[in-house]
Amino acid sequence: AQKVTQAQTEISVVEKEDVTLDCVYETRDTTYYLFWYKQPPSGELVFLIRRNSFDEQNEISGRYSWNFQKSTSSFNFTITASQVVDSAVYFCAQYDSSYKLIFGSGTRLLVRP
Amino acid sequence: KAGVTQTPRYLIKTRGQQVTLSCSPISGHRSVSWYQQTPGQGLQFLFEYFSETQRNKGNFPGRFSGRQFSNSRSEMNVSTLELGDSALYLCASSSPGLAQETQYFGPGTRLLVL
Repeated sequence: AQKVTQAQTEISVVEKEDVTLDCVYETRDTTYYLFWYKQPPSGELVFLIRRNSFDEQNEISGRYSWNFQKSTSSFNFTITASQVVDSAVYFCAQYDSSYKLIFGSGTRLLVRP
Repeated sequence: KAGVTQTPRYLIKTRGQQVTLSCSPISGHRSVSWYQQTPGQGLQFLFEYFSETQRNKGNFPGRFSGRQFSNSRSEMNVSTLELGDSALYLCASSSPGLAQETQYFGPGTRLLVL
């Protein structure tokens, strides 16, 4: 069965620091789909990125970057020069075999001014 | 394009009552999924509807049910509410056809059961 582990429960950084959120996934499928979502205090889950298993390119979007490593089953998320607005809970997720989203337990990021 | 909308945003009910939550997907999206988020259990899948048919179901008791209308709007119903049903209920929609499409979430409905 699929599983997503986010070992970091909470991270606190000072503004402008770089921060990496870890995500380890488990699956026996050869084709799989990974996601990151952001949940600000308002509660809505905001889609950040999707990565298909057959696309191993890392991605950068502004201050956000993602490192997909099949060898270690990891899909880590780095925020460069963090800002207070980045404070939120971040979830890593993957689809199971019936395309239900399986979420990790989330990492709460607090960016202090 | 308008995002996923959910109504109501907040709800307070008492044990034993029933509740209906509504979700309107992004225009053109035909798949709607529901998730429950609690501090103890995290985010858990409830069910998914596509073209008015339940395509997928999570591991929740029969008190939790849903439906989808011809315009893709979806409702979920919880009967005989229990204290443990207090949660944030999130609805997500995805574009037509392929099940592996990205799901986009609404703002959620916060349900408090007293």
